Amino acid sequence: QKEVEQNSGPLSVPEGAIASLNCTYSDRGSQSFFWYRQYSGKSPELIMFIYSNGDKEDGRFTAQLNKASQYVSLLIRDSQPSDSATYLCAYPSGGSYIPTFGRGTSLIVHP
Amino acid sequence: GAGVSQSPSNKVTEKGKDVELRCDPISGHTALYWYRQRLGQGLEFLIYFQGNSAPDKSGLPSDRFSAERTGESVSTLTIQRTQQEDSAVYLCASSSTGIEPISGYGYTFGSGTRLTVV
Repeated sequence: QKEVEQNSGPLSVPEGAIASLNCTYSDRGSQSFFWYRQYSGKSPELIMFIYSNGDKEDGRFTAQLNKASQYVSLLIRDSQPSDSATYLCAYPSGGSYIPTFGRGTSLIVHP
Repeated sequence: GAGVSQSPSNKVTEKGKDVELRCDPISGHTALYWYRQRLGQGLEFLIYFQGNSAPDKSGLPSDRFSAERTGESVSTLTIQRTQQEDSAVYLCASSSTGIEPISGYGYTFGSGTRLTVV
């Protein structure tokens, strides 16, 4: 079963704090992982991808991948109200080129 | 074009009518995906096209749903005899290839078609 698990939230953090979003996956053969941001009423947009164990940083965003434990995280530093959205984890599970998406975690950054 | 284009952006139809949704992928993208997103729900995979290969239709919920794509161009998703449970946003995405996702290109989504069946 190809599954991606995410806590639906909402995760509420104050402005300026670090938001930590987590995703666990079931397919050990997966090679790459994507984080999408979806604003209410809008389409998902790609914000990060990672395919190596460890951390990958891009501005205020850091993706962390731990293949042994089968989880991938997204950290948002200095959270802003404009970061309030649903964050979707996705990966093309082994043997398939079809990305499987988690249900997403709702993030609320309050001033 | 510069992005994935979908039309119409909104469609209201009467129960029992057929609808056709269109997706124009990014030029050169060989892979094309259709997803459905019901209100407050996650993305539900429908169908996947890769170049001239036979499509993966494993996500289509019933035989009322069908999709076509000619080569690496426009795709149409057709829903026959629409039902109220078909109401959702239908999202199309494309990627440069379905074989090397580690390239990091990811999947670029269109703005979606919001379908309302009344």
